[in-house]
Amino acid sequence: GDSVTQMEGPVTLSEEAFLTINCTYTATGYPSLFWYVQYPGEGLQLLLKATKADDKGSNKGFEATYRKETTSFHLEKGSVQVSDSAVYFCALSDGGATNKLIFGTGTLLAVQP
Amino acid sequence: NAGVTQTPKFRILKIGQSMTLQCTQDMNHNYMYWYRQDPGMGLKLIYYSVGAGITDKGEVPNGYNVSRSTTEDFPLRLELAAPSQTSVYFCASSYSIRLAGGGTDTQYFGPGTRLTVL
Repeated sequence: GDSVTQMEGPVTLSEEAFLTINCTYTATGYPSLFWYVQYPGEGLQLLLKATKADDKGSNKGFEATYRKETTSFHLEKGSVQVSDSAVYFCALSDGGATNKLIFGTGTLLAVQP
Repeated sequence: NAGVTQTPKFRILKIGQSMTLQCTQDMNHNYMYWYRQDPGMGLKLIYYSVGAGITDKGEVPNGYNVSRSTTEDFPLRLELAAPSQTSVYFCASSYSIRLAGGGTDTQYFGPGTRLTVL
């Protein structure tokens, strides 16, 4: 079945460092891809999404490009801040009528001042 | 506009006890979902609903039941709690108008309920 694999954490960076969190997927159809973020003590929030190949999702300085040829959707940010410390989840939706999401295991990002 | 709210925030149960996790959304979303999040794992779908009166099983439904009598509420019932049900439970909702295809609608999540079964 469909699945999402993302890099294990924790990822520890200094403020203003460059961030990459890798995400690859397996899907039989043409999924939509998402990054969700979970701040401490809160629920998940949508960070960005891409619905077709070569689409780039972006929000709050974060970007991810839907790469069909490498089945990847890596999250990047040029300069992280302490406030970016959170757990990041990559997810896909197979496009079915139920709009169900399949999540990766999450990557904890800790940004130090 | 409170979004998706869940109660309680924390709960400790003894094996064999039952409880209901409450979920309410005020966004008039037709789709609602229950997920569980185990340590080091991604979220797994337990049950979902595409509208009032319609529910269906997700990936890990055993040991749970749901009902959807109104658009706003989607409670999750644990009848005989087991240690394997120790987890963080998230409710989510989305507005979807399609009958098939797409899957691009944003899901909005509640803050979660942390359940421990001893």
